[in-house]
Amino acid sequence: GAVVSQHPSWVICKSGTSVKIECRSLDFQATTMFWYRQFPKQSLMLMATSNEGSKATYEQGVEKDKFLINHASLTLSTLTVTSAHPEDSSFYICSALKPSGGQETQYFGPGTRLLVL
Amino acid sequence: GIQVEQSPPDLILQEGANSTLRCNFSDSVNNLQWFHQNPWGQLINLFYIPSGTKQNGRLSATTVATERYSLLYISSSQTTDSGVYFCAAPYKLSFGAGTTVTVRA
Repeated sequence: GAVVSQHPSWVICKSGTSVKIECRSLDFQATTMFWYRQFPKQSLMLMATSNEGSKATYEQGVEKDKFLINHASLTLSTLTVTSAHPEDSSFYICSALKPSGGQETQYFGPGTRLLVL
Repeated sequence: GIQVEQSPPDLILQEGANSTLRCNFSDSVNNLQWFHQNPWGQLINLFYIPSGTKQNGRLSATTVATERYSLLYISSSQTTDSGVYFCAAPYKLSFGAGTTVTVRA
């Protein structure tokens, strides 16, 4: 199997606080993980690529100081939304890349809903 | 990056009906994935299908790489098939806008 978990599944916080979201690959090692953001009734937007042991690669328009990504081990990547504001409220989804027989398949976590008041 | 277009944007089906979803992509891809996002937001892998045809139960998919499109077939639809279906092309998965499927009992 290929299971990816995220924690927490829901978070409500006050404006100005920081929120950390964890993404874990439970039954495989993932050198590469991805973080996406999804607004209601819209598609997924890639925010950044998280590489184990090195700095994340951010997509254009994504503030790296706002969305801190750490990929400290082969099974864990974290996304920290710093000084969160209401416009950061969204559904954040991570995925982990699992190589298998020459192909690479992404497996997604269940997502984290963030509401900033 | 690769542009991915999906059609139709919305699909309403009566339970038991069959349907076809389409995904066009702007450039050659060596992989294509189909996902189902359930009403709770979980993305579930349906198919990894760079070319050819695959079947899994009531779902099947066909990718014609030379013509840059892929099709997802849903047969004998059930209410549990409701949700948003995305196709995505790697690397870093460029997602289409999705097709929202509603299956009515």
